Amino acid sequence: DAMVIQNPRYQVTQFGKPVTLSCSQTLNHNVMYWYQQKSSQAPKLLFHYYDKDFNNEADTPDNFQSRRPNTSFCFLDIRSPGLGDAAMYLCATSREIGGKIRGAFFGQGTRLTVV
Amino acid sequence: AQSVTQLDSQVPVFEEAPVELRCNYSSSVSVYLFWYVQYPNQGLQLLLKYLSGSTLVKGINGFEAEFNKSQTSFHLRKPSVHISDTAEYFCAVTLISSGSARQLTFGSGTQLTVLP
Repeated sequence: DAMVIQNPRYQVTQFGKPVTLSCSQTLNHNVMYWYQQKSSQAPKLLFHYYDKDFNNEADTPDNFQSRRPNTSFCFLDIRSPGLGDAAMYLCATSREIGGKIRGAFFGQGTRLTVV
Repeated sequence: AQSVTQLDSQVPVFEEAPVELRCNYSSSVSVYLFWYVQYPNQGLQLLLKYLSGSTLVKGINGFEAEFNKSQTSFHLRKPSVHISDTAEYFCAVTLISSGSARQLTFGSGTQLTVLP
């Protein structure tokens, strides 16, 4: 089945130790997103790719980086995780046609714990 | 800029009772509207969406929503809820416009709890 897959589902990392979360898609969508979701809050967009064009949200900390080596894969790198970065990280994809998207497909998320 | 308001952060309801989760939006341009459901420790799953056409939209799991342009609302309804409907529900919009219209803007969410 076509889908968005995030690995791992649960990640524990040490304070300050770099960590990478991965996302892959079989939908061939041209837009990929990374969201951060803290407990009982709405997802917050960190950045997105339109094809290879990277778009950073203005309030995304520099500690967060992303790579999209090809259409199917996208990575979220957290260079020096702090306790405040513990959250669910959601990857999503969408197809943009004519400057519009018609919704997004989400992966199951990666729950990040920082110890 | 667009925004989404979900008026109720928590909605408790008894099993087999009807439920309505409210969503209002503001935008200077036309929007597409969505409802997503999130179960604990899961990603978001699309329930239904309004793009154009009939203002009454039917989705999965027996949910439906009605787009009301004059009231800028997109309330979600189900005539009879089940225990398994207990989850967080998010309303979202995206712009219908040229340029960068790729962002989904989410409301703050409504926790629906179905009681036995």
